[in-house]
Amino acid sequence: DIQLTQSPSFLSASVGDRVTITCRASQGISNFLAWYQQQPGEAPKLLIYGASTLQSGVPSRFSGSGSGTEFTLTISSLQPEDFATYYCQHLNSYPIMFGRGTRLEIK
Amino acid sequence: EVQLVESGGGLVQPGGSLRLSCAASGFTFSSYWMSWVRQAPGKGLEWVANINQDGSEKNYVVSVKGRFTISRDNANNFLFLQMNSLRAEDTAVYYCAAAGAVAGRRWYLDLWGRGTLVTVSS
Repeated sequence: DIQLTQSPSFLSASVGDRVTITCRASQGISNFLAWYQQQPGEAPKLLIYGASTLQSGVPSRFSGSGSGTEFTLTISSLQPEDFATYYCQHLNSYPIMFGRGTRLEIK
Repeated sequence: EVQLVESGGGLVQPGGSLRLSCAASGFTFSSYWMSWVRQAPGKGLEWVANINQDGSEKNYVVSVKGRFTISRDNANNFLFLQMNSLRAEDTAVYYCAAAGAVAGRRWYLDLWGRGTLVTVSS
């Protein structure tokens, strides 16, 4: 099985900061990677798919990059509504896996 | 309105069974891969199973294989998850999700329901 390792697992930042979350795959997954945002008590929301394609309706301050085994999600200027938990997910092969999540909190 | 609405969750004893349903509306259900994803209390997301558009291909995470069955009714726009031999570790919110975002021959989950809670306990 392909494992995804997200780092950091916890991140404290301020409104306006630029933050980057990393997701590393245990083997190459081409660009078959997505990023989701989850607010407490809500369903996940797709942000980025195909490693770098911004989902319709998602603000342009979110961006994704990477290929193979290393991927990043960047938020260019944090807004209050961005404080949430973020998950990466690969679709390279079965079983589909999620990373363990990165909790982003207000400093 | 485009939406997915899960139902069928509840409290069940270990070894028991439960059938989850997901009603789809506002989009062409029969054109989408569909998935179940679960989240144990205070934990991360876990993909459980998916099914292709006509139901001919089904995939499962190892921990539920042989116990859970995913199916769909395209005529009535429903997705199902039959869960047998339930264990305490199956306790979670179960989300139904549709894969409508396509890139590089992969379908990503862009529409999610609000989830239904399954609690396995005696």
